[in-house]
Amino acid sequence: GAVVSQHPSWVICKSGTSVKIECRSLDFQATTMFWYRQFPKQSLMLMATSNEGSKATYEQGVEKDKFLINHASLTLSTLTVTSAHPEDSSFYICSASRGTSGINEQFFGPGTRLTVL
Amino acid sequence: DAKTTQPPSMDCAEGRAANLPCNHSTISGNEYVYWYRQIHSQGPQYIIHGLKNNETNEMASLIITEDRKSSTLILPHATLRDTAVYYCIVSAGAGTALIFGKGTTLSVSS
Repeated sequence: GAVVSQHPSWVICKSGTSVKIECRSLDFQATTMFWYRQFPKQSLMLMATSNEGSKATYEQGVEKDKFLINHASLTLSTLTVTSAHPEDSSFYICSASRGTSGINEQFFGPGTRLTVL
Repeated sequence: DAKTTQPPSMDCAEGRAANLPCNHSTISGNEYVYWYRQIHSQGPQYIIHGLKNNETNEMASLIITEDRKSSTLILPHATLRDTAVYYCIVSAGAGTALIFGKGTTLSVSS
């Protein structure tokens, strides 16, 4: 299957700093990428959808000025958590969609664990 | 909101078949049924998908009822490594987000 990577796999930062997480599709071009957040013992929650070259679409309740998403190419999307606070500590997961029609082929990255002190 | 309903947990003995049910009574004609699983602290892993016919691959089988309102994922010979949270998701075409429900926590024991 197709491979999606995330970097870093884990990060610890101080409150008030910004953190950038990269999501790359390694062997295919991703028309659309998605960002999810997962708190302990909970399911994945969709944060935003991004298409290459377009502004991301954020889910209700997700602050677009706090979670900046850039999808500069068909293989790279970045999520920047600006002015991170302890409540932003979570497991962030991206997925990349390969198809343009028909079957919704999505491949998930391994996740990035963010801890804000 | 997720459009599927799954039991919160199931147990299975190693070597036996694990049958995980899913209800999706409001599924639309163009929506597929997808199954993913998530092992602790990892990203979700694709298992199988189907539209209306039963499907089988090297990981599992998917049985979809004729009215498409429910389905069952079958792991024919469960191993300890199959312990995970299993998510049943219905989704339309490519490029649409996968909305995760609470899933079923499958515990396989020896």
